[in-house]
Amino acid sequence: GAVVSQHPSWVICKSGTSVKIECRSLDFQATTMFWYRQFPKQSLMLMATSNEGSKATYEQGVEKDKFLINHASLTLSTLTVTSAHPEDSSFYICSARVTWAYNEQFFGPGTRLTVL
Amino acid sequence: GQQLNQSPQSMFIQEGEDVSMNCTSSSIFNTWLWYKQDPGEGPVLLIALYKAGELTSNGRLTAQFGITRKDSFLNISASIPSDVGIYFCAGLGSSNTGKLIFGQGTTLQVKP
Repeated sequence: GAVVSQHPSWVICKSGTSVKIECRSLDFQATTMFWYRQFPKQSLMLMATSNEGSKATYEQGVEKDKFLINHASLTLSTLTVTSAHPEDSSFYICSARVTWAYNEQFFGPGTRLTVL
Repeated sequence: GQQLNQSPQSMFIQEGEDVSMNCTSSSIFNTWLWYKQDPGEGPVLLIALYKAGELTSNGRLTAQFGITRKDSFLNISASIPSDVGIYFCAGLGSSNTGKLIFGQGTTLQVKP
């Protein structure tokens, strides 16, 4: 299989605090993971590509200092939302690229972030 | 940049009916993927298409990779209430970045 987990599934935090979201590939190694955010009734918007052992590649308009990505191992990528503000409230979803079907991505269950 | 146009935006059908949705693009894609997303969940891969003209089935779902490589469709036959959700197409271009381009989604509602 290709199971991707995320933790936490939801988080509520105060404005100004930082929140870390973990994305794990449970039964396979993923050299590449992707982070998306999704607003209600909208499609997925790619934020960044996370490559194991190297710096993440951010999409245009995504602040790299605000959304810190670390892909320190072949099964774990983390997204840290720094100094979160209410406008950062969203559904954050990660995906992992599998090596046996290189063009396929499997998604985690998502993390609902609410910033008060 | 590359964009996908997915239609229809939403559908409300009777249980047992067949459903068809499609995605088109002005750009060529090398891979088409179809995902289903339930509320509050991440997308789940339904079908992956790799070759122009390819027709692939997964149970009651059938998807095709258009000959021009600029479009794809997904059919659901004999819909059931659990088919409710948002369906997304996603295309992968020629670059090796692995970045998917997503359609806007088709919201499907099934009336029992």
